[in-house]
Amino acid sequence: NAGVTQTPKFQVLKTGQSMTLQCAQDMNHNSMYWYRQDPGMGLRLIYYSASEGTTDKGEVPNGYNVSRLNKREFSLRLESAAPSQTSVYFCASTLDASGFYEQYFGPGTRLTVT
Amino acid sequence: AQKITQTQPGMFVQEKEAVTLDCTYDTSDQSYGLFWYKQPSSGEMIFLIYQGSYDEQNATEGRYSLNFQKARKSANLVISASQLGDSAMYFCAMRGFAGGTSYGKLTFGQGTILTVHP
Repeated sequence: NAGVTQTPKFQVLKTGQSMTLQCAQDMNHNSMYWYRQDPGMGLRLIYYSASEGTTDKGEVPNGYNVSRLNKREFSLRLESAAPSQTSVYFCASTLDASGFYEQYFGPGTRLTVT
Repeated sequence: AQKITQTQPGMFVQEKEAVTLDCTYDTSDQSYGLFWYKQPSSGEMIFLIYQGSYDEQNATEGRYSLNFQKARKSANLVISASQLGDSAMYFCAMRGFAGGTSYGKLTFGQGTILTVHP
């Protein structure tokens, strides 16, 4: 039982390049989330998927897209990376968005855009 | 809208002593949940404790307890008998439940860095 896994762990991009951050969970959770963490700030929600087949914007969605590929996988895409997207990205999942269940976090992806 | 405020950027505590990390919140939701997460220097987010807004008793998990004062909108984390391994960033977070429309989204505070001295 790996929990929430993320790939890659580290990435360096040049401005304008694109990339996809992958996230998978093996806990049969319905809801998945992408957050970013910047220095001196807490985590901020980028996008979420309350259930398979649905996605919606969070607090800071600009410059990102997501895909809920199936119940297990939720990817985050940067179409044209900008230095302002330098951050640590966390994927999380929870059993169901309708209840007060703990969110389980992946190990994070540290992204640098030069 | 929901807001979490952690006013202590950094805290220091002596090993084996207790420490309280402050958290205040603001929400218009009648039902909500409060969470504390620990982030060590390795970067992962570790769930510590949860308190529901309708829970009558304060939550406890081992050395962690949550001092929940609903009227004051505060949810302070108390760590008893601090250990060197408790040195980390601590985040308070909440999610509301406004008729199911919050979809499990967490709102985080800015965090408090705790340093435990031997």
